Amino acid sequence: DVKVTQSSRYLVKRTGEKVFLECVQDMDHENMFWYRQDPGLGLRLIYFSYDVKMKEKGDIPEGYSVSREKKERFSLILESASTNQTSMYLCASSPGTGALLNGYTFGSGTRLTVV
Amino acid sequence: AQSVSQHNHHVILSEAASLELGCNYSYGGTVNLFWYVQYPGQHLQLLLKYFSGDPLVKGIKGFEAEFIKSKFSFNLRKPSVQWSDTAEYFCAVKPNTGFQKLVFGTGTRLLVSP
Repeated sequence: DVKVTQSSRYLVKRTGEKVFLECVQDMDHENMFWYRQDPGLGLRLIYFSYDVKMKEKGDIPEGYSVSREKKERFSLILESASTNQTSMYLCASSPGTGALLNGYTFGSGTRLTVV
Repeated sequence: AQSVSQHNHHVILSEAASLELGCNYSYGGTVNLFWYVQYPGQHLQLLLKYFSGDPLVKGIKGFEAEFIKSKFSFNLRKPSVQWSDTAEYFCAVKPNTGFQKLVFGTGTRLLVSP
């Protein structure tokens, strides 16, 4: 019943490090998303992708980039980690067609701490 | 820009109490509406959704929500909560045109005491 898998549950990184968060989905979905979840702020969209090698900025893309070389994999990259990027990061996917009948499917999240 | 408001940030209830969580959105056109739940340590799961038709929709675990178009609202309800309903609840909206991008509310943390 595996759907969306995020490679790490917890990560601790140092300020200035380059950080890669990986997400893989096994449902052949076209769309993939990266959100960050912070208390009192809900889920905020960082980047999304609607096809291989295609990407679009979300609401808070600053300090992040993404890569989608294969349909099933969507990577979030923190070019130079900072303490204000300490957060829970959620990956999600959805089919490319239809009316989003079942919403998004979410991964379990990666809790990143930048020290 | 579209926005979603959840005015209750924290709610504390005793078991068997009734629950209503508010959700309002700002978008003038047709929308799809969702409620997600996140149990402690778990991923977000879809509770229920509204696309069209009967504005009262029923979801899993006894939850229901009512879409009131004139009020731009989609409130979540449950007649009698259980301790296992302790979780964070998120309302989400997608305009019915354009890309499938959900806009989430800030969430409501529900604590049900036994």
